[in-house]
Amino acid sequence: EPEVTQTPSHQVTQMGQEVILRCVPISNHLYFYWYRQILGQKVEFLVSFYNNEISEKSEIFDDQFSVERPDGSNFTLKIRSTKLEDSAMYFCASSELLAGGEETQYFGPGTRLLVL
Amino acid sequence: AQSVAQPEDQVNVAEGNPLTVKCTYSVSGNPYLFWYVQYPNRGLQFLLKYITGDNLVKGSYGFEAEFNKSQTSFHLKKPSALVSDSALYFCAVRDMDNDMRFGAGTRLTVKP
Repeated sequence: EPEVTQTPSHQVTQMGQEVILRCVPISNHLYFYWYRQILGQKVEFLVSFYNNEISEKSEIFDDQFSVERPDGSNFTLKIRSTKLEDSAMYFCASSELLAGGEETQYFGPGTRLLVL
Repeated sequence: AQSVAQPEDQVNVAEGNPLTVKCTYSVSGNPYLFWYVQYPNRGLQFLLKYITGDNLVKGSYGFEAEFNKSQTSFHLKKPSALVSDSALYFCAVRDMDNDMRFGAGTRLTVKP
C-alpha cells in the first residue's frame, strides 16, 4: 500500500538555524499539507499546497516558514530561523483530488524537530 | 470557522467491552468529519470519514462512527475493545476550504 514518507525522522538544531523537512507524498496525490504537533498538544494545521502554490495557511505559518515542491516527488517545509517554540512533531499529508471534496488525507510518520 | 471538540482527555475500558470516544463539531455548511488514530511514536492513521450518506460509517480495525446532525456529534465506537486499540484518537473536521482542524485528542486505554 502506498504511503507518505518523511525524512529525517528526528532533527536537532540550534536556535536561529535553518531546517528543511522533507516529504514524499503518495505519487498520484495532488494536494499536500503540513501539520505540527507540539508535545502533548493537538495537531495544528500549517499550510496546504496545490498546483505549485499555497492554497491556504494558518496564522502559525509566518514569514519564517516556506514550502516548496522542488521536483515531481518531494514536498519540503523550510524554517528559516528556528525558535525554541518550533520544537514539535511535523507531519506531512497528501490527498487525491476527488469529486465532491471527498478527499482523505494520508499522513506520514512525522519528523520530530528539537530546537536547542 | 470550523472547530471540533473532544470532551474527554482519557477513556478507560476493559477488554471486550464496547467503547465510545466522543466528538462534537461546529462548521458552516456540510461537515466532512474524520477520525484518526495515533499509536506511540507513530504518525496519524486514517480510520474513517463521513462525507454524505448513511449516518453510520464503518472504518478500519472494526471501528465505526455515527454522524448525528441534530447533536452535531460524530462519536467513534467499537462493539468490543482490544488491548491493542489503546492509542490516541483524534477527531477532525474539514470544510470546503480544505484545511483540517483537529480535536485535542482522547487517550484510549483498554485494560485486559
